[in-house]
Amino acid sequence: GEDVEQSLFLSVREGDSSVINCTYTDSSSTYLYWYKQEPGAGLQLLTYIFSNMDMKQDQRLTVLLNKKDKHLSLRIADTQTGDSAIYFCAETNPLDQTGANNLFFGTGTRLTVIP
Amino acid sequence: GAVVSQHPSRVICKSGTSVKIECRSLDFQATTMFWYRQFPKQSLMLMATSNEGSKATYEQGVEKDKFLINHASLTLSTLTVTSAHPEDSSFYICSARDLYGASTDTQYFGPGTRLTVL
Repeated sequence: GEDVEQSLFLSVREGDSSVINCTYTDSSSTYLYWYKQEPGAGLQLLTYIFSNMDMKQDQRLTVLLNKKDKHLSLRIADTQTGDSAIYFCAETNPLDQTGANNLFFGTGTRLTVIP
Repeated sequence: GAVVSQHPSRVICKSGTSVKIECRSLDFQATTMFWYRQFPKQSLMLMATSNEGSKATYEQGVEKDKFLINHASLTLSTLTVTSAHPEDSSFYICSARDLYGASTDTQYFGPGTRLTVL
């Protein structure tokens, strides 16, 4: 499968911005996603970006995509304690006809927000 | 390592029939299992959280009478798609949390079940 990498941990102070980074290897990735996993809960889709975009903003969330470097980031503005969770990036290529679902996840980044 | 199985891996059924999908944790106990739905080559959407011995918690927009979830033991959860219609055709994936694992945040995913409703 494709490699999707994330750093494991990130700590920020409440009110600061958080930036969670993700790198991937599949140059044909078309959709890239960010999921949030709160303690004890399932994965919730936060936002996504198409590969023909380089930025997408949704309230406090900003997704940046550098397709040349295969680098995706999620910026959370004014980070709150409720943002403490594990964040997963994932990528897929709908045009790839092999495999069952071809959704590849990163290892997840645990964000800890310090009050 | 923690293994989650699903059965069947693929099912084709006629419209109006019901289909049951099983999710088993093979070598660990899981008080909580999650059911996801994935449309072809698209994102994973959480449908419901299944808790052993209690009612499942459904996400907004998911019909609980349509997608029946039973979690009767620490190693088995079932999802029954009742009166299936072609729009229910999708890839259904379960995951389980290891109750006694090193990290209870870790979810172990099953291989998925592809449902096709004719």
